[in-house]
This record gives sequence, C-alpha cells and structure tokens, in this order.
Amino acid sequence: EPEVTQTPSHQVTQMGQEVILRCVPISNHLYFYWYRQILGQKVEFLVSFYNNEISEKSEIFDDQFSVERPDGSNFTLKIRSTKLEDSAMYFCARLGQGDGYTFGSGTRLTVV
Amino acid sequence: AQSVTQPDIHITVSEGASLELRCNYSYGATPYLFWYVQSPGQGLQLLLKYFSGDTLVQGIKGFEAEFKRSQSSFNLRKPSVHWSDAAEYFCAVGAVPGGGGGADGLTFGKGTHLIIQP
Repeated sequence: EPEVTQTPSHQVTQMGQEVILRCVPISNHLYFYWYRQILGQKVEFLVSFYNNEISEKSEIFDDQFSVERPDGSNFTLKIRSTKLEDSAMYFCARLGQGDGYTFGSGTRLTVV
Repeated sequence: AQSVTQPDIHITVSEGASLELRCNYSYGATPYLFWYVQSPGQGLQLLLKYFSGDTLVQGIKGFEAEFKRSQSSFNLRKPSVHWSDAAEYFCAVGAVPGGGGGADGLTFGKGTHLIIQP
C-alpha cells in the first residue's frame, strides 16, 4: 500500500487555540480527503480536495475548518478556534488512479 | 446518498470459533467496498477491498469477504478467530477509481466491536 504520512501523531491544545494538522500523500492522487473519528464513533467524512480546490464538504466542515495545500505537496487541516468537541482522531486519505484509497495513521487531537 | 449499515454493534465469539460480520450498503453506482480493522487508539488497517472480479475476496490475517450484489452485502468472515482479532471492524463504500466519482470519499458504517472469549 502506498503511504500517507500524518503529523503530528498526537496534539494537545487548549480550547480556543488554532491547530494545524499536516498530511503528505504520495503523488498522483485523484482526490485528497480529511476524515474525523470521535472516540468510540464511526469515521466521518469532512472534506475532499480535487485540483487544488475543495470538491465536497460535509455539514461538520463549518467555518472554523479550512484545508490548504501550502507548498504543492503537503495538505493541511486548520481548526481556527478549537472546542472541546473537536477532540477526535483526524485521518487524511488519498484516492489514487489505480491503487484506491489510502489512509494515514491519524492525528489524535485532544482539546483541553 | 451512499450509506453503510453494520447491524451488529457488538459480537462475542469464542476463540477458535468462526466469525461473520455483516455489512449492507447502499450505493448508486458500482461500489468499491472495504473492510478496516481498528484497535483502540490506533489507526485504520485495511483488511481487504473489492470492486470487481471474483466475488469472494481474500484479505490479510485470514479474513475473507463475499460480495453479493443481489443482497447489497459484503460480509466479512474468518474460519477461526484468535484473541488478537478483538478490535473494532468497519465496513466502507466509495467510488471506483477512474469511474468519475470520488468527491464524497468513503462512507463508513458505525462499526462492529468484536469480543473474543477464551
């Protein structure tokens, strides 16, 4: 399986602070995604990215979230003012042309 | 809209017994189907995937799944479970690569928590 690298693996932040989660997929992806999994719950779609633009976003992906590709390779998910309920595991993923979906190992975000 | 139903929230089986985890999906085109396993606090590990070919798919760790289009099902099976199989199992559906879809990513079921009795 091709790799998708996420950093950091675990981040603790204070409520109201901004956080940036990073992901580096291998090249030649069709789509890039961010997902969220609150502890004990299912994995939920946040947003998809195609041709350097947001393609689809869910109801969860409100104005406090943003996704960028700052340097042509990394993808970032920014949460502007974190809330306690943003504590979750965040996964990035890619959809390749011939090799399907690949997930990163996740970033565990803890908001205190 | 695409959806995945995993009707069993918890399943308990004895070590060495056979296992079947159920998954039903709803998808408007040719589905790309997946099973993932997740240990507590860990990431998602891909067990197997299917979108074409033989409807019985072999995966890692001795797991297999059978695609039944008529039943919209993709059930996961293992002939003999081991204590290390205890985990959360997620079924997911998405677009086939190159099929023109993909914007919605994968839709996951709520998961089945597998408990292994000694």
